[in-house]
Amino acid sequence: DADVTQTPRNRITKTGKRIMLECSQTKGHDRMYWYRQDPGLGLRLIYYSFDVKDINKGEISDGYSVSRQAQAKFSLSLESAIPNQTALYFCATSVRDTYNEQFFGPGTRLTVL
Amino acid sequence: GESVGLHLPTLSVQEGDNSIINCAYSNSASDYFIWYKQESGKGPQFIIDIRSNMDKRQGQRVTVLLNKTVKHLSLQIAATQPGDSAVYFCAENNPGDSSYKLIFGSGTRLLVRP
Repeated sequence: DADVTQTPRNRITKTGKRIMLECSQTKGHDRMYWYRQDPGLGLRLIYYSFDVKDINKGEISDGYSVSRQAQAKFSLSLESAIPNQTALYFCATSVRDTYNEQFFGPGTRLTVL
Repeated sequence: GESVGLHLPTLSVQEGDNSIINCAYSNSASDYFIWYKQESGKGPQFIIDIRSNMDKRQGQRVTVLLNKTVKHLSLQIAATQPGDSAVYFCAENNPGDSSYKLIFGSGTRLLVRP
């Protein structure tokens, strides 16, 4: 969905490096989410934000941090990347009262060597 | 495209046949159940949802059935088309928690044979 964009689309980095993944949306949605997807597993929620001042931890927040710079922007950081953070990362948005329908970005493939 | 699951359960169907994708859930207190479709190289896309007080809901070419007795959810796709080839995820909301988070299953791959 072109309304939710993620950068970069692919990234290879080394253990210990700091990495930031960025998400932007033009849908005007209040809620934004970061998920991680590993082979054979579903999506697991890392962090979510209901508005600029409301940020919450998801299932697997350890080793990650986020920043909601504006309604349209939500970034995910890995302060010190480790190999088991190698995964597909998805950003998603939803309207305030309809969280069942989330709109996902195209994903970022992160490889930590 | 990106591989979303190397060892996912796979359903192979003939083009034009009906497909039934199943999902078992664990939390009997979940209020909503949702189906998402993920095509290769793309993010998941919402298909349809159903509330726990319903047994059946129909959309365009899709039907979701909910059996709360056995905690089972299914997605039926009528007249399956090549464009239906994807990984399908069921999800449920997280009850007793006002955060409105979704819990996703591990997915089923649907392959449509021409």
